[in-house]
Order: sequence, then C-alpha cells, then structure tokens
Amino acid sequence: ETGVTQSPTHLIKTRGQQVTLRCSSQSGHNTVSWYQQALGQGPQFIFQYYREEENGRGNFPPRFSGLQFPNYSSELNVNALELDDSALYLCASSSSLGAYEQYFGPGTRLTVT
Amino acid sequence: AQSVTQPDIHITVSEGASLELRCNYSYGATPYLFWYVQSPGQGLQLLLKYFSGDTLVQGIKGFEAEFKRSQSSFNLRKPSVHWSDAAEYFCAVGEMDSSYKLIFGSGTRLLVRP
Repeated sequence: ETGVTQSPTHLIKTRGQQVTLRCSSQSGHNTVSWYQQALGQGPQFIFQYYREEENGRGNFPPRFSGLQFPNYSSELNVNALELDDSALYLCASSSSLGAYEQYFGPGTRLTVT
Repeated sequence: AQSVTQPDIHITVSEGASLELRCNYSYGATPYLFWYVQSPGQGLQLLLKYFSGDTLVQGIKGFEAEFKRSQSSFNLRKPSVHWSDAAEYFCAVGEMDSSYKLIFGSGTRLLVRP
C-alpha cells in the first residue's frame, strides 16, 4: 500500500510569484484535503477535493486554489505569494468523503522571500 | 465552530517516566477525536482515534487516550517514554460543515531527558 506523497519537498519563491504543489493520495483513497501549517502552529484546513470538485474551504482567500485529477491526485496553487504564505503545506487523503480519518503526506515546505 | 486546546506548549519528561498530554475540545455532540505525532520536518502520523464506544482507546507505539465527556477532554498517555517519542503532538477534532475536516490544537512539544 502506497502512502500519501507530496512534491516538491522544499520550495523557495519570491513575493508575488505563483506556486503549484502536488499530492498523490494513498492507494484506494478518493478524497484529498490540504492544510497549511505555519511555524509553531497546528495545521489549518485550506480545502477538500472529492470527485474532482472542491468540497468545502477554510478561511483562505481565492488566490489559494486547487485541482483533483481522475486518479485522485491533487494540486494546490497559490497566486500572488505573500510572505505569510511561508509554511508547511500538508496533503491528507481519506477513503471516502465522510471519513474523518485522514492520512498525511510529509508536506512541502514553502518559503516566500 | 469547534476548537481544540492543548494547554501545554512544551513538556519535558525523563526517559522511562510516564507521560500525559492534555487536550480539551469544544463540541456539542459526540466528537470524533484524534491524536497525531509529527517528528521534525515530517508530516503527521495518526496515533489513535476515538469515534464511539469504549472511552479508553489504544493506539500505536504504546500510546493510549481516554475520552472524558464530562471534562471535554481527550488526554494522551504513555506509561514509559522512550527517547524516540520526542516530537510534536497534535490533538484534533473532526468537524463537518461543508466538508469533513480536522480542527487541530496548537500542539505540545515533548522533550525527553536521557
């Protein structure tokens, strides 16, 4: 059984740029959620994808957007990067839409300078 | 909205000593509760979960947690800590509004003295 994978591991961007982060869900899981973890804090929910559609969003602006593909993998896109976007971005997959049990990938560390 | 409070930012214990990490939640109905562990630079690993039934749940790595509805608590325990347990621990509660998501506490960093 393959776990959740994310790429890249680390990324450095300049303020105002755009970034795309990628996630492959655990085998058999069709729901993907994205979280932002700022330094010294717990993860915060960004949004969730199911059947290639966004299924709920946390308190994040529209410049945070995502996609889910037919193979359940997902992308997180952030436009017009700000310094406060520097964080660890975690992807989590779950076996179905109603499953609270989520399995996390190792994360992508984004630094915005 | 639900919330999770982990009152201890840091806890230091000696190797072999017992451990209890505190977690309090706010939620009207029976909550879905989780404990995750995060090693430096790593993602989150699920230690254990509570959905219903027996209020004492067993998890991986020798951890257990007890759900106490009257105290709105879900404290994590381990009878004998190993140096490899040093990490950050997060308590989370499941919330469903437009999506099924986890609400996390701010975490407790565990340091283990040799």
